Amino acid sequence: GAGVSQTPSNKVTEKGKYVELRCDPISGHTALYWYRQSLGQGPEFLIYFQGTGAADDSGLPNDRFFAVRPEGSVSTLKIQRTERGDSAVYLCASSLWSGSPLHFGNGTRLTVT
Amino acid sequence: EDQVTQSPEALRLQEGESSSLNCSYTVSGLRGLFWYRQDPGKGPEFLFTLYSAGEEKEKERLKATLTKKESFLHITAPKPEDSATYLCAVQASAGGTSYGKLTFGQGTILTVHP
Repeated sequence: GAGVSQTPSNKVTEKGKYVELRCDPISGHTALYWYRQSLGQGPEFLIYFQGTGAADDSGLPNDRFFAVRPEGSVSTLKIQRTERGDSAVYLCASSLWSGSPLHFGNGTRLTVT
Repeated sequence: EDQVTQSPEALRLQEGESSSLNCSYTVSGLRGLFWYRQDPGKGPEFLFTLYSAGEEKEKERLKATLTKKESFLHITAPKPEDSATYLCAVQASAGGTSYGKLTFGQGTILTVHP
């Protein structure tokens, strides 16, 4: 079956611009996660949703970052006033329920110039 | 704060040369330890979950084991297609940490030469 789909696969933006990253989870998965991965590092937790609500957003670095999952399926990660330090691969994952193994998409590579 | 340290950072093996990767962890109550494989330009791919000390899981040439302080990923007679970055992550069960949060190590880059 289809895996987790993330769009776009690459995004280049200028410092100060707004960006949206989209995630389509595996059908039937109730939990959805966002992680960020810098070169040579493991993924770093940002936020996770159980259904439509954000169950844990403790990893969001500041209030420029926001994520939504309005219908309990597709999610969008939104970054305002982007900074060069936001450059990374943003990974989305989904799982049957929170705590079951995560299935990752291939990520969106964000470059802020 | 939960911490995961993987060693070595990089490992180069000849085809057929067995070895082990280490994952040391500090967590406020372990609910689960996860191993993932990541190929360049791809997202991590789930391999195993271990829940309690003494548990072992196997898949083809890979075997994962768990103690109270660390986990090992044993690779028996590796092939070039086993080349990838292997990531370890822990899921805490205490201290108010949600089940949704995994703490990852930095990974071990494995290269297997033919």
